[in-house]
Amino acid sequence: GAVVSQHPSRVICKSGTSVKIECRSLDFQATTMFWYRQFPKQSLMLMATSNEGSKATYEQGVEKDKFLINHASLTLSTLTVTSAHPEDSSFYICSARDIRVQETQYFGPGTRLLVL
Amino acid sequence: RKEVEQDPGPFNVPEGATVAFNCTYSNSASQSFFWYRQDCRKEPKLLMSVYSSGNEDGRFTAQLNRASQYISLLIRDSKLSDSATYLCVVTSSETTDSWGKLQFGAGTQVVVTP
Repeated sequence: GAVVSQHPSRVICKSGTSVKIECRSLDFQATTMFWYRQFPKQSLMLMATSNEGSKATYEQGVEKDKFLINHASLTLSTLTVTSAHPEDSSFYICSARDIRVQETQYFGPGTRLLVL
Repeated sequence: RKEVEQDPGPFNVPEGATVAFNCTYSNSASQSFFWYRQDCRKEPKLLMSVYSSGNEDGRFTAQLNRASQYISLLIRDSKLSDSATYLCVVTSSETTDSWGKLQFGAGTQVVVTP
């Protein structure tokens, strides 16, 4: 099946620093990528929808200035957590929708963020 | 009220037994339904789509009841490797904004014991 990669797989940072997470579709083009966050024992919560070449659409309650999303090409979207705080510690997962098979989303392996 | 609700479990199942669980969704405009499997500290992986007429994939059977707004998953002849959290996922095509967005349930944990 299609492969989506995320980098880094885990990151530990100090409070106040910014962290960039990359999401790449490796063998297909994705006009749309989605960013999710999952806290322990909770469901995945959609944070934003990233569209290639345009601004991301953020879900209610997600601060766009804190979670910067850039989708500069059909295979790469980045999420930057700016001025991270301990409450931002979570499992961040991206998914990419294959341009040819619109209903199908492929998930990246996730990035575990720990903010000290 | 959550859009997608699941019994968190855990469902403790002896190896070889059958286990079934449901998921309810609140949006009657929901169009597509899926079961995903998530292993501990990993990303979700698509297990199967759920079709209106019900469908089977090996030991897994999924059913959709639109009138009562629930879907179900049944696992026959459970294997130890079936231990995971099963996520119910629903999409809506009601509006352009919501098209393709996946709504996840919190998951049902299944533990298959020897």
